[in-house]
Amino acid sequence: DADVTQTPRNRITKTGKRIMLECSQTKGHDRMYWYRQDPGLGLRLIYYSFDVKDINKGEISDGYSVSRQAQAKFSLSLESAIPNQTALYFCATSDPPPSDEQYFGPGTRLTVT
Amino acid sequence: GIQVEQSPPDLILQEGANSTLRCNFSDSVNNLQWFHQNPWGQLINLFYIPSGTKQNGRLSATTVATERYSLLYISSSQTTDSGVYFCAVEGLGDRGSTLGRLYFGRGTQLTVWP
Repeated sequence: DADVTQTPRNRITKTGKRIMLECSQTKGHDRMYWYRQDPGLGLRLIYYSFDVKDINKGEISDGYSVSRQAQAKFSLSLESAIPNQTALYFCATSDPPPSDEQYFGPGTRLTVT
Repeated sequence: GIQVEQSPPDLILQEGANSTLRCNFSDSVNNLQWFHQNPWGQLINLFYIPSGTKQNGRLSATTVATERYSLLYISSSQTTDSGVYFCAVEGLGDRGSTLGRLYFGRGTQLTVWP
């Protein structure tokens, strides 16, 4: 079984709808991340969490919110989806410092029409 | 944040050829990773290599942290090597603390023809 799982894997939604992307991990890591990838670009950080009570904004957090329900679960929400949020979304976890090596989920392909 | 530049942006090879991909970064780093994104979009960890040299089969990587660059070598390329190769780095905060997050380059699109 995969260490980092994401659901759904693909989603098509309409402008204005609320949508939640879910991430679960079995690696026992405290640190979790949400990234977004647009065509032709590398991944950019949306939000990250260093433990259940710690949530931090990344460089592109506007229009998104997150919830860390447990050590193993980190959800990303789009409160009112818009077409330019169409992208590939990745969840990741990382080893504790000093390594910080990151491990990525399979990605969620989101299309907002 | 840290700037990460990858070159070349595109690379087309015939099966069996060797290649070198480069990653330059703008500041001291705690972590450097190389990933392969396959045609289905999945990110596959290739190397965790903040410094030194590592080898894994036909792939090897070298990071020279003092000169702020890393190289990924692919030997005897195969069609299954096609995809996008990303370099990502984690910077150091004040007093050498780690920041946790990764900064990605734009990737090198590799196409290997049979």
